[in-house]
Amino acid sequence: DGGITQSPKYLFRKEGQNVTLSCEQNLNHDAMYWYRQDPGQGLRLIYYSQIVNDFQKGDIAEGYSVSREKKESFPLTVTSAQKNPTAFYLCASSLLGHTEAFFGQGTRLTVV
Amino acid sequence: ILNVEQSPQSLHVQEGDSTNFTCSFPSSNFYALHWYRWETAKSPEALFVMTLNGDEKKKGRISATLNTKEGYSYLYIKGSQPEDSATYLCAPHNTNAGKSTFGDGTTLTVKP
Repeated sequence: DGGITQSPKYLFRKEGQNVTLSCEQNLNHDAMYWYRQDPGQGLRLIYYSQIVNDFQKGDIAEGYSVSREKKESFPLTVTSAQKNPTAFYLCASSLLGHTEAFFGQGTRLTVV
Repeated sequence: ILNVEQSPQSLHVQEGDSTNFTCSFPSSNFYALHWYRWETAKSPEALFVMTLNGDEKKKGRISATLNTKEGYSYLYIKGSQPEDSATYLCAPHNTNAGKSTFGDGTTLTVKP
C-alpha cells in the first residue's frame, strides 16, 4: 500500500544524545515536511524539502537537522542543541504546490 | 510566522447537534487553505482544500466555507455523530512554496 512510514513509534534518549527519526514515503511525492507537536498546541514546521538535495528551515529549525538524499526519505536528527526535544514528531509528504499533505503515524520522543 | 487562530479550542456536543468552528488567518498573500481531521491514535487526514473566495465544499455532513477578503473559514458539522470526535486543524498557505501554517485545532467531542 502507498503511504508514509515513520519509525520508531516511541523513542527514548538520554539528554545530550543526538537521535534520528526516520520518515519514508512511497507516494512519489516531491515535497516532505517535519512537524513538531507539543501538548495543547498545533503542528509547527521544523524543516521542509521540495526536491532531493535541497531543504528549507521552517519556523522552529534550531536544534534540528535534516537530509534529503533520496526522494523517498527525509530523516530528522534532533541534536543535543535542541533545548526541549521531548515532543511528538510528525512527518508528511505532498505533491508540489498547495496540495493536501499525507501524514505518517508520528514518533513520540522522550528525552530523559 | 503566520498567525492562524482556531476557535473554540474545544467543543463538547450531544449526538445529533450541529456545530461549527472558525479558522482565522491573515487575508494577505492567500493561496489556499486545507482542513484536516485528526482522530486519536491516527494520522491527520485532509477534509477539504479551498482556494477561492466564496468557496464552499461539502463531504457528507461536513461542509466548509471560505472568505479570503476577511481571512476566515468556517467548518460545519450537521447532526454530529460520535465518530466525528476528533481534532480539526486548518492550514492556510500564504506563500507559493507549498508549505502551510497550522492552527492549534478545535477538539470536538460528541457524546452519544
